[in-house]
Amino acid sequence: AQSVSQHNHHVILSEAASLELGCNYSYGGTVNLFWYVQYPGQHLQLLLKYFSGDPLVKGIKDFEAEFIKSKFSFNLRKPSVQWSDTAEYFCAVTLHNTDKLIFGTGTRLQVFP
Amino acid sequence: EPEVTQTPSHQVTQMGQEVILRCVPISNHLYFYWYRQILGQKVEFLVSFYNNEISEKSEIFDDQFSVERPDGSNFTLKIRSTKLEDSAMYFCASSKSKDYGYTFGSGTRLTVV
Repeated sequence: AQSVSQHNHHVILSEAASLELGCNYSYGGTVNLFWYVQYPGQHLQLLLKYFSGDPLVKGIKDFEAEFIKSKFSFNLRKPSVQWSDTAEYFCAVTLHNTDKLIFGTGTRLQVFP
Repeated sequence: EPEVTQTPSHQVTQMGQEVILRCVPISNHLYFYWYRQILGQKVEFLVSFYNNEISEKSEIFDDQFSVERPDGSNFTLKIRSTKLEDSAMYFCASSKSKDYGYTFGSGTRLTVV
């Protein structure tokens, strides 16, 4: 069955540190890729998405992600995190011709000032 | 910015009772979804709805579940006879098109006792 793996369950960083959260999916066909963020007590918000074209995708708040097809990966990066980035981050995919999101288990990011 | 609104934010119900979770999608969106997240687990797809009918549903979405768009604005999820294992956060989402990306609501926390 298709699945999405996020290997980092809990990441703790100091402000200004660089961030990379891993995301891998298992599906051999065409996918659309997403990163969602859930701030404490809030709803899931779209950070960025990849459908086609440039595999390096820029999102809101200086987040970016790179789609590496050969590695089935879509890692999320940010050069310098802030305390306000403390949240849960979810990678998700939709498979070709469907709109059902398949989520990873999420990564909890804590940023300390 | 347009929002998906869910009510109530928290509902406690006794096992065996019926519950209706309500959602108001963004007004010009055409695709509607329900997801749920059991505490500590992944966000899981339940059902998608388009053109007044279910377009896809998961194994979780058995005969105890139903969805309805009773008027032009609301989108409801009904659980006919709740079980303890239905306790979860239920998220509604809507989208303009399959490739557009979702907007999620803030969720309804359902607790079955």
